[in-house]
Amino acid sequence: EDQVTQSPEALRLQEGESSSLNCSYTVSGLRGLFWYRQDPGKGPEFLFTLYSAGEEKEKERLKATLTKKESFLHITAPKPEDSATYLCAVYSGANSKLTFGKGITLSVRP
Amino acid sequence: NAGVTQTPKFQVLKTGQSMTLQCAQDMNHNSMYWYRQDPGMGLRLIYYSASEGTTDKGEVPNGYNVSRLNKREFSLRLESAAPSQTSVYFCASSGGQMNEKLFFGSGTQLSVL
Repeated sequence: EDQVTQSPEALRLQEGESSSLNCSYTVSGLRGLFWYRQDPGKGPEFLFTLYSAGEEKEKERLKATLTKKESFLHITAPKPEDSATYLCAVYSGANSKLTFGKGITLSVRP
Repeated sequence: NAGVTQTPKFQVLKTGQSMTLQCAQDMNHNSMYWYRQDPGMGLRLIYYSASEGTTDKGEVPNGYNVSRLNKREFSLRLESAAPSQTSVYFCASSGGQMNEKLFFGSGTQLSVL
């Protein structure tokens, strides 16, 4: 069974304090790993797709990386507006299924 | 560009009542999806439609029905609501396969008393 585990469940950072969010996965035939951002009361918003180990993608203060077992979302010098829940999802090519993790709630204090 | 539009935003039902959640997208996407989000759980797929005229069950389809009315619209119906269906419901769309990025609506918060 495909599984996605995100850690920690919640993370509180001071503005400017860099950190990483973890997404560990087991999946049959990975065909894509996705990161989404979700603000309170809104739907998830797409951030990145990673397809193969070693791939990296960046957007502003965010950088996503992928290995064969996990993905990291690195946040460099975060700002309060980066506060949100970050969701990880994996797509299995073996059973054509997208599995979401429970999310990591990030709070950045000014 | 509106993207994915869901109605209503909030709804309170009594056990046994029925209702339909509406979803429309203006991105000419082929695939549309209904998810539910519960505290402490990841998003779970209820039903999806890979193209106009087709629908398939997802992970948690029991108690729900769907209709792909046309390429733009995909509705979710609760025939006899139960307290276990209290949740936040999201509609999403994608250009094609499920391994493409999803575009989500803003959600419907449903409470069943």
